[in-house]
Amino acid sequence: GEDVEQSLFLSVREGDSSVINCTYTDSSSTYLYWYKQEPGAGLQLLTYIFSNMDMKQDQRLTVLLNKKDKHLSLRIADTQTGDSAIYFCAESRGAAGNKLTFGGGTRVLVKP
Amino acid sequence: NAGVTQTPKFQVLKTGQSMTLQCAQDMNHNSMYWYRQDPGMGLRLIYYSASEGTTDKGEVPNGYNVSRLNKREFSLRLESAAPSQTSVYFCASREDRVLNEQFFGPGTRLTVL
Repeated sequence: GEDVEQSLFLSVREGDSSVINCTYTDSSSTYLYWYKQEPGAGLQLLTYIFSNMDMKQDQRLTVLLNKKDKHLSLRIADTQTGDSAIYFCAESRGAAGNKLTFGGGTRVLVKP
Repeated sequence: NAGVTQTPKFQVLKTGQSMTLQCAQDMNHNSMYWYRQDPGMGLRLIYYSASEGTTDKGEVPNGYNVSRLNKREFSLRLESAAPSQTSVYFCASREDRVLNEQFFGPGTRLTVL
């Protein structure tokens, strides 16, 4: 995952907004993804954005994409204790985009 | 539907021992993947299989072999385990569509002493 970079840790108070940032390198990616990993479990797709979009909103989640700077962010509004998890950004690569390259993951801790 | 299942959940090996990690999916997906997860390094792709009968190397294939036994099952074998292979291993599968939504198993935590 060295080509996709994220900060390691984020601490946030319950009810505040969380912003997780990611930089990527492959400008040909069709989609960019955010996956969530809860403790002791595998990853689940949380949301994604098509590469020709700047923003996507899905309930409490807002994804922003800056293609010029190759920067992706995930904002979680009104963060809840259930949002405590590791969040991975990922870009698709390879033939037909069938491989994902993941960042190192950002551990989000929500404090009451 | 069980989704993606993996066995075993935990395993401890001694250096030089061999073992096979099993993975199965019941979603009729063509593509299957094996990853390892190490702290701060995200998930790294070991091998993947785009369809039954085909396998390709990923980012970190050394020390591993895979078998796509049929459409449902994709196994990962460590022939001679090394402490550097201590990790959490995840299997995943996906449908053949442009959106790369992968469905992950619960993982196998492997320790090599």
